[in-house]
Amino acid sequence: AQKITQTQPGMFVQEKEAVTLDCTYDTSDQSYGLFWYKQPSSGEMIFLIYQGSYDEQNATEGRYSLNFQKARKSANLVISASQLGDSAMYFCAMRDFSLAYQGGKLIFGQGTELSVKP
Amino acid sequence: DGGITQSPKYLFRKEGQNVTLSCEQNLNHDAMYWYRQDPGQGLRLIYYSQIVNDFQKGDIAEGYSVSREKKESFPLTVTSAQKNPTAFYLCASSTGTGELFFGEGSRLTVL
Repeated sequence: AQKITQTQPGMFVQEKEAVTLDCTYDTSDQSYGLFWYKQPSSGEMIFLIYQGSYDEQNATEGRYSLNFQKARKSANLVISASQLGDSAMYFCAMRDFSLAYQGGKLIFGQGTELSVKP
Repeated sequence: DGGITQSPKYLFRKEGQNVTLSCEQNLNHDAMYWYRQDPGQGLRLIYYSQIVNDFQKGDIAEGYSVSREKKESFPLTVTSAQKNPTAFYLCASSTGTGELFFGEGSRLTVL
């Protein structure tokens, strides 16, 4: 069965510093995608970044980058130059493309609460 | 602007009552989803639909029902059979291969 594990319930980082949020996943399939979402206290889910299992380069989107280590089955999110507005819950999620007729559903981890200190 | 609209944002229910949460999208997406989120937890899939008039159970479908009569709409009914319905409910849509786009959520409290 597919599973996403986020082992850090909470993290603190100083403003302007970089922070890494850990995510490991478990799947026996070769074709899958990994996503990171941000959830502020308002509750909305904001898509941050995506990495496909066949992508050779790590994904980057502005201050966000994904440290993808396929052999270790990890997909850590790196936020550079943290800002106060980065304080939120962060969720790692996976879609298994090899599953037919699954409607593109995502499986989510438990989340990491990031607090940015001024 | 394209997006997903959930209503109501807050809902209170007495035990034994059914309630329906609305979800409408104008992104022209085929796939739609309902997730439940409990405090400090991740999202768990309740139901999903890949196409009009078709839907499948997710991991925690018991006590919930859905319909997909129109492409734009995917309402969720929380029935009296759901033993612990107090939670935050998130609706989402996607093309099926891209990211999920989420609504702002509906917070249901059972009194």
